[in-house]
Amino acid sequence: GEDVEQSLFLSVREGDSSVINCTYTDSSSTYLYWYKQEPGAGLQLLTYIFSNMDMKQDQRLTVLLNKKDKHLSLRIADTQTGDSAIYFCAEDGQKLVFGTGTRLLVSP
Amino acid sequence: NAGVTQTPKFRVLKTGQSMTLLCAQDMNHEYMYWYRQDPGMGLRLIHYSVGEGTTAKGEVPDGYNVSRLKKQNFLLGLESAAPSQTSVYFCASSSDGTTNTGELFFGEGSRLTVL
Repeated sequence: GEDVEQSLFLSVREGDSSVINCTYTDSSSTYLYWYKQEPGAGLQLLTYIFSNMDMKQDQRLTVLLNKKDKHLSLRIADTQTGDSAIYFCAEDGQKLVFGTGTRLLVSP
Repeated sequence: NAGVTQTPKFRVLKTGQSMTLLCAQDMNHEYMYWYRQDPGMGLRLIHYSVGEGTTAKGEVPDGYNVSRLKKQNFLLGLESAAPSQTSVYFCASSSDGTTNTGELFFGEGSRLTVL
């Protein structure tokens, strides 16, 4: 069955890089996504990567995809306090499946 | 541009009571979804709809019913609320269910507590 796993919590200092990891199981996924949820709000699409790519960069965000290991990561460079949120990865194989979410806490 | 709007945002129910959550979207999206979010469990799909007049079961449909009488609205009903249904409920919509980036647009959530 489909299962998307993430670590639950990550704490970094402002200015450091953050790396949030995700493992998925459905190799038929066409797209893999990162959504961001700020406190008291719904999820918003942050970035996505097509499954035939291994890297995508978008300003401070870098997405790395290792299809062989079914591993997805999101790197946030120069992390700011405004980046504090819950980050969800999601795969869209047989159906869209969200991970459990990683709560990122950025301290000054 | 309102996007996806959910009402109510907060509700407290007693066990056995019924209620309906309303989701409205103004983006002319075909697909609409209801998820519940619980600590450590991420988002779980309750029901979804691929168009006006259609509904389908998701991962955790028991205890819930839905209706999509109008394209812009998707209602989630609890006929007899149970404490296990205490959760934050999110509605989402997308232009279609195919892998065309597949971005979902979410509402702000409805926090439901069942005592």
